[in-house]
Amino acid sequence: GDSVTQTEGLVTLTEGLPVMLNCTYQSTYSPFLFWYVQHLNEAPKLLLKSFTDNKRPEHQGFHATLHKSSSSFHLQKSSAQLSDSALYYCALSAYSGGSNAKLTFGKGTKLSVKS
Amino acid sequence: EAAVTQSPRNKVTVTGGNVTLSCRQTNSHNYMYWYRQDTGHGLRLIHYSYGAGNLQIGDVPDGYKATRTTQEDFFLLLELASPSQTSLYFCASAGGTQDTQYFGPGTRLLVL
Repeated sequence: GDSVTQTEGLVTLTEGLPVMLNCTYQSTYSPFLFWYVQHLNEAPKLLLKSFTDNKRPEHQGFHATLHKSSSSFHLQKSSAQLSDSALYYCALSAYSGGSNAKLTFGKGTKLSVKS
Repeated sequence: EAAVTQSPRNKVTVTGGNVTLSCRQTNSHNYMYWYRQDTGHGLRLIHYSYGAGNLQIGDVPDGYKATRTTQEDFFLLLELASPSQTSLYFCASAGGTQDTQYFGPGTRLLVL
């Protein structure tokens, strides 16, 4: 079945330093990859999703590149901000026909940015 | 932005109790989902549906039932609640198989 592996636990960074959160996946079918972000006491919401035409998605300074050769979709940002502190989920959707439409989530990576 | 609402927002029950969590979306999305969120486990899919009357089993279905009564409404039922079901429950909806999922605000359930 499908699976997603993320950098586990807590990542602590100093403001201004680059961010990289790892995400690798396993899937039988050609997948779409997503990053969701959840701030404290809020619901998860979409941050980025992969494109079918291999363009690199970007949002709020974050970007991610889908590398099918290495089955990865790492999340990056050049300079961390205090407001980036949140829980980040990588998720996979692999359409196998019919009405299968579920996301498989990783366990999440908590990012804490300090001044 | 898609709108998903959940009720109640907080619920306390006792072991063996009967609980129904409600979710409504007003965006005519076909797909609706129930997740639980626990530290160390992330978001885990309980049940989902792609239309009224349809139900699909998720990854952690044991102890849960679900029912999709209309395009808008999706319910999660715990008929004999256990302490292991203490969790934060999220409902989500999406228009299609590769579309963004929009999450509700969550329901905190405590089973004593």
